[in-house]
Formats: sequence, C-alpha cells, structure tokens
Amino acid sequence: SQKIEQNSEALNIQEGKTATLTCNYTNYSPAYLQWYRQDPGRGPVFLLLIRENEKEKRKERLKVTFDTTLKQSLFHITASQPADSATYLCALDAGSGNTGKLIFGQGTTLQVKP
Amino acid sequence: EAGVAQSPRYKIIEKRQSVAFWCNPISGHATLYWYQQILGQGPKLLIQFQNNGVVDDSQLPKDRFSAERLKGVDSTLKIQPAKLEDSAVYLCASSFTSGGAGETQYFGPGTRLLVL
Repeated sequence: SQKIEQNSEALNIQEGKTATLTCNYTNYSPAYLQWYRQDPGRGPVFLLLIRENEKEKRKERLKVTFDTTLKQSLFHITASQPADSATYLCALDAGSGNTGKLIFGQGTTLQVKP
Repeated sequence: EAGVAQSPRYKIIEKRQSVAFWCNPISGHATLYWYQQILGQGPKLLIQFQNNGVVDDSQLPKDRFSAERLKGVDSTLKIQPAKLEDSAVYLCASSFTSGGAGETQYFGPGTRLLVL
C-alpha cells in the first residue's frame, strides 16, 4: 500500500544545533516533494519544493535532500532557534505531477530549547 | 495581499446535525482545495476545484459531505449529518493556476469542528 511517514515522536534539540527531520514514502513515484511548517491553530505554510531530478535544495538556514532510490527526503534546519519550534509536514505529489494533488505525512513536531 | 479567509473559526455541533464552512481564496487563484486534518495527522485532501469545476473528489465521503464553488470564487463545504469522527480542522487552500508542477498552495487558518 502507499504510505508517507514522518517521525511521529517530537524532536527536541538545543538552540544552535542542526535539526534533521525525515520523510519516507513507499509505493509512490513523486515528481516533487514539498515541506510545510504548521504552527498551532494555523494552516500550513509552504517552505521548500524539491523535484525528482534534484538532490538538494537550500533556502537560508533550510536544506532539503531528496533520494528517490531510498524513497526518502531529509529536512535540515541549521543554527536552530526557539522560533523554529513548530510542526513540519512533508507532502508529495500523488498524481502525475500536473494536478496539485498532495499527500501529507503526519508531521514531526520540533521543539528548540534556548 | 490578503490570504485565504475561512469562517467560522470554531464550531461545536451535536452528531446528526448539519454544518457548513465557508472559504474565500486569494484573489485571482483558480484552484481551491478543501482538506480535513484530524488531530495528530497531516491534512487529507477532500476535494479540489479548478475555477468552478471539480478536479478531484475521490476522498470526499459523498454520502454526507458536499462542496460547491459557484462562480469560481468562494466555496462552501457542508456536512450533513455529522458524525463524531468528523471532528477535525477543515482547511481551505488555493493556488494560482492548476496546482501542478509543485505550485505553492496557500492555506487558510482552518475551521475547528467538534462533534459531540
């Protein structure tokens, strides 16, 4: 069956360290994968997109990798800050890449302690 | 630029009652999505409209859920009758064109529904 999984346990790290979140999927061949941030009581906010032919994408302190052989994406936040505390969702394209039909993981909650 | 607007923000109803949610997407956005997010889970797509046509409603429980997007702008999602398992946050999102090729989806704040 098709699945997309993120670590359901919360990730607690110290300020200044690098946070690494994992997204694994099975029985999909996504054209792209996206990462979103969700704060309590709010809707998800888009962070980064990585396509199947890209290995790595960076934006400021954020870095995403995409390994289509391992069927895995890693999301890194370097020099983490308490303001980075939130739930992070990965989402992949469940269609042909042309429909915008996203399947989301369950999210991983990150807590950055000062 | 105004974001996606949703109302109400919170709703509490008894099971078997009906409820409706409203969404106003970002101006000019062609595609509108309704998602259901149960506590501890990621959003699940219920229905996707492009302009006023349905693109995908494969995960919409059509025996109790309905949605419309008249005139290709605002949308309403209705549940009738509600069940306990419908308790969730209902998120509306929009994208500028079809949403394909990884186009960014912009989410509203959601409507939190509690069914007692």
